[in-house]
Amino acid sequence: EVQLVESGGGLVQPGGSLRLSCAASGFPFSRYWMSWVRQAPGRGLEWVANIKQEADETYYLDSVKGRFTISRDNAKHSLYLQMNSLRVEDTAVYYCAQTWGLWTQREWGQGTLVTVSS
Amino acid sequence: QSALTQPPSASGSPGQSVTISCTGTSSDVGGSNFVSWYQQHPGKAPRLLIYEVSQRPSGVPDRFSGSRSANTASLTVSGLQAEDEADYYCSSNAGSNSLVFGGGTKLTVL
Repeated sequence: EVQLVESGGGLVQPGGSLRLSCAASGFPFSRYWMSWVRQAPGRGLEWVANIKQEADETYYLDSVKGRFTISRDNAKHSLYLQMNSLRVEDTAVYYCAQTWGLWTQREWGQGTLVTVSS
Repeated sequence: QSALTQPPSASGSPGQSVTISCTGTSSDVGGSNFVSWYQQHPGKAPRLLIYEVSQRPSGVPDRFSGSRSANTASLTVSGLQAEDEADYYCSSNAGSNSLVFGGGTKLTVL
């Protein structure tokens, strides 16, 4: 059974930093693209970033480029999202997702809430 | 990276069929094979229903089907059941190595 467990969310002030983690199990992690997708309270889904199997390709939503960094550790079956210069509008539940063919989010974690507020 | 356009709401009675549209442009929905649909119940993570326009992953009932005409993709839910009441989102890759979602459609089973 595929399991994705996010952690690292919390309350942070504008301009602050946070690092999200996603622990994966139940599938060959190193063989899949992975994604982060977020959902602001009461709003729709918004793709944030993708990373290739060997981490040699990454893609980002325009509004997070230069502030967020997606990374992975295949030996630890883990996905990360380093978030710097956080803004109020980054407040959301952040989901990690096993990704097929670069753009299809097949399996999702339960999400971790990030709140950016003073 | 503009969001795809979905109707905010849709409804149908048990046993009926409902179709939800997802309109984009030739740069995303109309020009991509990577159109997906997701179901999300309140407080839960999204669930993949349809990928690559019309493919169903294992475990998804064949009551759910996807199609596309020009720049509009559609999700049809046949034989509506109470548990189909949820939010539905489409997505498409949008060139320039990005992914865009629709705004979501709340499906109500009357």
